[in-house]
Amino acid sequence: SQQGEEDPQALSIQEGENATMNCSYKTSINNLQWYRQNSGRGLVHLILIRSNEREKHSGRLRVTLDTSKKSSSLLITASRAADTASYFCATASGAGSYQLTFGKGTKLSVIP
Amino acid sequence: DTAVSQTPKYLVTQMGNDKSIKCEQNLGHDTMYWYKQDSKKFLKIMFSYNNKELIINETVPNRFSPKSPDKAHLNLHINSLELGDSAVYFCASSQVGGNEKLFFGSGTQLSVL
Repeated sequence: SQQGEEDPQALSIQEGENATMNCSYKTSINNLQWYRQNSGRGLVHLILIRSNEREKHSGRLRVTLDTSKKSSSLLITASRAADTASYFCATASGAGSYQLTFGKGTKLSVIP
Repeated sequence: DTAVSQTPKYLVTQMGNDKSIKCEQNLGHDTMYWYKQDSKKFLKIMFSYNNKELIINETVPNRFSPKSPDKAHLNLHINSLELGDSAVYFCASSQVGGNEKLFFGSGTQLSVL
């Protein structure tokens, strides 16, 4: 069953602007992960935030997690044309879980 | 060296045929997966193997049969292909279970005519 829902479905910005994508989920989680998928390629892991963490940074990426609202956001600062891709959130639930449940993704277009 | 490699990248075949997709990972991971991505980019898990043992078998037609000869390989065999099987199939692996990050292959685009 689908767990994460990204919002917006599509986002178009100018190079240099910040991009914010949101993810909402339904059940309690162990962690939440963000992945990037370039057109015609596999998914690449960006960042993992555990349920007891509220914010995490990695380079130009900033992820927040609000477990009370069951939501997360991914902020990409100073976007570049190379950031053009689809971004997916994925949730891991249950001890010893062997699956991630993915949302439908946000398609980000960064215009040079 | 590619961490998770799957072959072929493209597979075009007729309805009713049987085909296989191969996957290999050189990361020393214990867990491997097959995911299916539909035309709307929705990614859904199909199977999960841990140390060659089937852990997850989602609601997938039994025409799909995974085979794990060793923990570095997880192949997917599909019998009697149907039009609705057209999708991109991704192999992935992780160190432990799904609570850790996944490493994905580049995908196999299957087109059933």
